[in-house]
Amino acid sequence: AQSVTQPDIHITVSEGASLELRCNYSYGATPYLFWYVQSPGQGLQLLLKYFSGDTLVQGIKGFEAEFKRSQSSFNLRKPSVHWSDAAEYFCAVGAPSGGYNKLIFGAGTRLAVHP
Amino acid sequence: DAGVIQSPRHEVTEMGQEVTLRCKPISGHDYLFWYRQTMMRGLELLIYFNNNVPIDDSGMPEDRFSAKMPNASFSTLKIQPSEPRDSAVYFCASSPRRGEGDTQYFGPGTRLTVL
Repeated sequence: AQSVTQPDIHITVSEGASLELRCNYSYGATPYLFWYVQSPGQGLQLLLKYFSGDTLVQGIKGFEAEFKRSQSSFNLRKPSVHWSDAAEYFCAVGAPSGGYNKLIFGAGTRLAVHP
Repeated sequence: DAGVIQSPRHEVTEMGQEVTLRCKPISGHDYLFWYRQTMMRGLELLIYFNNNVPIDDSGMPEDRFSAKMPNASFSTLKIQPSEPRDSAVYFCASSPRRGEGDTQYFGPGTRLTVL
């Protein structure tokens, strides 16, 4: 069965510092991978997604993620964090049943940003 | 576009009562998803529809839960009777028909508290 692991529950960084959020997946074939962000009291918003092709994916708000098949990882990065990036971040994998529309989410990583 | 609309935003009810959550997807989207988010279980897909037809309801926890989509612009998730363990944030999301694994657009959620 497909699964997604986000090893870090909470991360705190200083504003302006770089950020990397980890995501590992378990899946038998080429996965469809997503990163979503959830601000307090809001729904989830897609940051970026990977289906195929270039393994470095650019997203909104200056985020990028790199797919590494050998490590079963899809880590999210940002070179310089802004205070407005404080939120919860979810990695998800699209399951093949249902045409990859059935998303399995990780537990999330809550990001705090210090001024 | 107004985005995915959910109502009510907050619902407080007593155990045993019937609860109905409502969702209006983005116009033109063919897929509709219902998710539940709790601290213990994270974000779980309950059911999803394609062109108003339920495709996968394997995530519906038990018979007390039911979902309908009578037309392309409206869906309901009903819990009858409700129990305290149903307390959670329920999200509705919709997705266009462009292809597999397309972006899901989430509503703001309904926070349900069952006393």
